[in-house]
Amino acid sequence: DVVLVESGGVVVQPGGSLRLSCATSGFSFDDYAMHWVRQAPGKGLEWVSFISWDGGRTYYADSVKGRFTISRDNSKNSLYLQMNSLRDEDTALYYCARDGCSSRCNLFYMDVWGKGTTVTVSS
Amino acid sequence: ETVMTQSPATLSVSPGERATLSCRASQSVSTNVAWYQQKPGQAPRLLIYATSARATGVPARFSGSGSGTEFTLAISSLQSEDFALYYCQHYNIWPPRNTFGQGTRLEIK
Repeated sequence: DVVLVESGGVVVQPGGSLRLSCATSGFSFDDYAMHWVRQAPGKGLEWVSFISWDGGRTYYADSVKGRFTISRDNSKNSLYLQMNSLRDEDTALYYCARDGCSSRCNLFYMDVWGKGTTVTVSS
Repeated sequence: ETVMTQSPATLSVSPGERATLSCRASQSVSTNVAWYQQKPGQAPRLLIYATSARATGVPARFSGSGSGTEFTLAISSLQSEDFALYYCQHYNIWPPRNTFGQGTRLEIK
């Protein structure tokens, strides 16, 4: 089975930093691009960031550009999100999701999602 | 940036009946539209991609259609497990963009 498991979500003060991780199994991780998507409490989905299969291309939503950094370690089948200068509005459930295109390509929709990890930014 | 507007916000339908959910794009988005289902406390689940292609394991009662700016998710013969929140999404490879609609809640009538 394809499994994505996020971790690292905690309560952090405004201006603080946090690193989220996503451990994957059940598929060839280095064949797939990956995404982070977030959902604020009681709100809808917001795409956060994308990374290509080899880590060579990364994209960000305007709301996090310059503050968040996506990365991956294909040797560990893991995805990461470094979050700096956190704001109240970054409070959300953060999902790791697999891109819908296999074989080292990207389509920008998500075919498999983890259960998410909760980030709370609060003083 | 393309804005995806879903309607209605809440749809009440009886089990066994057909539900039709709408999604309107603020500009033409070709066929790069996906639909997701989210149940309380669960992660989203991909239902439809490329406007009308069903994802792996999705029952045939789910169908997607549309083009340009108007898109529809139809669920024929609603089952109890279909009552959930549904999101449409416009995705674009270049420039890379991902925009979700605000969601439609499908509830039991």
